Parts: sequence; structure tokens; C-alpha cells
Amino acid sequence: AAGVIQSPRHLIKEKRETATLKCYPIPRHDTVYWYQQGPGQDPQFLISFYEKMQSDKGSIPDRFSAQQFSDYHSELNMSSLELGDSALYFCASSLGVGGRHHEKLFFGSGTQLSVL
Amino acid sequence: LAKTTQPISMDSYEGQEVNITCSHNNIATNDYITWYQQFPSQGPRFIIQGYKTKVTNEVASLFIPADRKSSTLSLPRVSLSDTAVYYCLVAGGYQKVTFGTGTKLQVIP
Repeated sequence: AAGVIQSPRHLIKEKRETATLKCYPIPRHDTVYWYQQGPGQDPQFLISFYEKMQSDKGSIPDRFSAQQFSDYHSELNMSSLELGDSALYFCASSLGVGGRHHEKLFFGSGTQLSVL
Repeated sequence: LAKTTQPISMDSYEGQEVNITCSHNNIATNDYITWYQQFPSQGPRFIIQGYKTKVTNEVASLFIPADRKSSTLSLPRVSLSDTAVYYCLVAGGYQKVTFGTGTKLQVIP
């Protein structure tokens, strides 16, 4: 069965550079979530989209932005990267029921971002 | 937003049944309880979800008392490959889906 696809798998950037992470949800899933997980930390919710509209916002820095496109894939744009942005970034998708978040989430393998 | 509390870590021997309890005193009427498993450097994986009473699937059981203020994930006869972090999430309606502090399960040979 098709899973959530994230690209790239690994990304190395310098401080103050920009990065774009991509997420392709499971076909027919209309809700996408982004999480950041630092080493030894629990996943932190960043932002989510339902039907191409932002549905919830968590601890996402102002330097980050995200959107969901017409084909439901999503991109997380990160600017002015800092050393502390080094983390594993997960995308998850679900089939929202009118935007209600009780459906189970399917996670991608993540993008490991290293900021040097 | 329902906050969850789980033990930070647990150890178990192979072949034993493991029960991980999660407290969620402020659970709302439309909240569901979902458990995820996460291995290092991998995305969390759905294990089981329930609303009330008992739910069982091929890998685990979920026990939810009538007041729904807690839930217990039961893993039968654990093996070394069950060593992972287990997260209890409570969400429903239009709330954001957030992770609390998970339980690090170490299975010992």
C-alpha cells in the first residue's frame, strides 16, 4: 500500500540558508501534519492543513512557513536556518472527517535536517 | 486540550505481557485515544485506537474504563523488537494532534 513520502531523506545546510521539505500524503488523504523531533525529544507539532487550508498551528517559528497544494502535497519552507533547527522532520497524513482530528495518522520516514 | 501522562520508561523481559497506562483526566466527550509506537529515526506508527471499553487488534489491546480518564495499552508476550517509545494521544473534534512525553519500553532478553 502507498505510504507517506517525504523528500529529501537527508539534508545538510549552513546557518542562514533556506530549506524546503516536501511531503506527499497517502492518496485520498486530505489532511497533512508537520512535526519536528530533536535528538532524544518527543515529536513537536508544527502545523497542519486540511483541504489546502491551514487547520492548526503549533510551535512553528516565524522563519518557517508551509502550504498544501492542489494535489494535497505539502511543503515546509525554512529560512534563516539556525543550528537549533537540526532535527528530524516528520510529515503525517490522515483522512480528515470534516477536519476532525480523530482519524489515525500515517507518518512518513522523515527528513533529517542538519544545520552546520 | 487533553494532557496525557505516561511513565517515562519501563523494562520488561521477553515473553511477558506489558501494560502501559496513560492518564488523561481532562479528556473531552469527542476525544479518541490513540497509541503510537516509534523506533529510533523512524516515524511513529499507529498501534490502536479506541473511544471506550476494550479494543483488540492483532498486535495489542486497549482498555478504557467507563470514566475514560485513563487508558492502558497491553502488549502480549513482548519480544526484543518491541523495544521502542510508545505514545498515548488524545484528540478529537478540531483539536491539533500533539504528542506528550512517551514511554520508553526496553525489552530484556
